[in-house]
Amino acid sequence: ETGVTQSPTHLIKTRGQQVTLRCSSQSGHNTVSWYQQALGQGPQFIFQYYREEENGRGNFPPRFSGLQFPNYSSELNVNALELDDSALYLCASSMTPDDTQYFGPGTRLTVL
Amino acid sequence: GENVEQHPSTLSVQEGDSAVIKCTYSDSASNYFPWYKQELGKGPQLIIDIRSNVGEKKDQRIAVTLNKTAKHFSLHITETQPEDSAVYFCAATRGGGNQFYFGTGTSLTVIP
Repeated sequence: ETGVTQSPTHLIKTRGQQVTLRCSSQSGHNTVSWYQQALGQGPQFIFQYYREEENGRGNFPPRFSGLQFPNYSSELNVNALELDDSALYLCASSMTPDDTQYFGPGTRLTVL
Repeated sequence: GENVEQHPSTLSVQEGDSAVIKCTYSDSASNYFPWYKQELGKGPQLIIDIRSNVGEKKDQRIAVTLNKTAKHFSLHITETQPEDSAVYFCAATRGGGNQFYFGTGTSLTVIP
C-alpha cells in the first residue's frame, strides 16, 4: 500500500451540483497529480500541483479546479457536475513532478 | 501529445503459464515507462518500471523489456498465479514532463 489517502471513498451527486475531493500525499512527496478513470479505461490526466501551484493541465474544462496546501495535500473541485463526470478519481503523489507516481485508492463519483 | 496503445485488452492463461502484455508509444521523447496493477475497487499499484537507458529489468516473476527504436515495451509475468489476476496498465512519460499517458488496460485472468 502507498501512503496516499483519498476521501471520501464514494460519493453520489446530482447533475449541476459541485463536489470536492481530497488527497493526502505520501510523506516526503511535494507533487500531487489528479486523474479521471472512466469505467474500463486508463486514467486520464486532469492536472498536477507542485509546491502549491498548478504545474500542467490535461484536456479538462475549467470547471475542474484544484488546490494544494502547504502540507502538500490537495483538493479537486468539480463544478456544474455532468453525468459524464461519473468516474473513479485518482490522485497520485511523487517526489518531483516527473518522478514515479504512487496512487491512492480513488474516490468513486456517481452523478445522477 | 503522447499516444500509448496496449494489447491485448483481455488475456486468460493457465496457472503456471507466462503472460505477456505489449504497449507502443508515439513520442520519442518519452523516457520513463511504469507498469501498474489495478485490482477491483482499488487504485493502480506500481509493479515495475523502466527508464530509456535500460533495455530490460526484472523483479522476481515480473520483467519489462523496452525497444526504443521500435517504441514499444512489454510486461512479462512468469509462473502466473491466481493472485496475478487484475487489470494491468502501461504508461509513458517524458523527462521533465508531468503527466503519465496510460494505455487502455489489459484484464488478466489466471485460471487455477
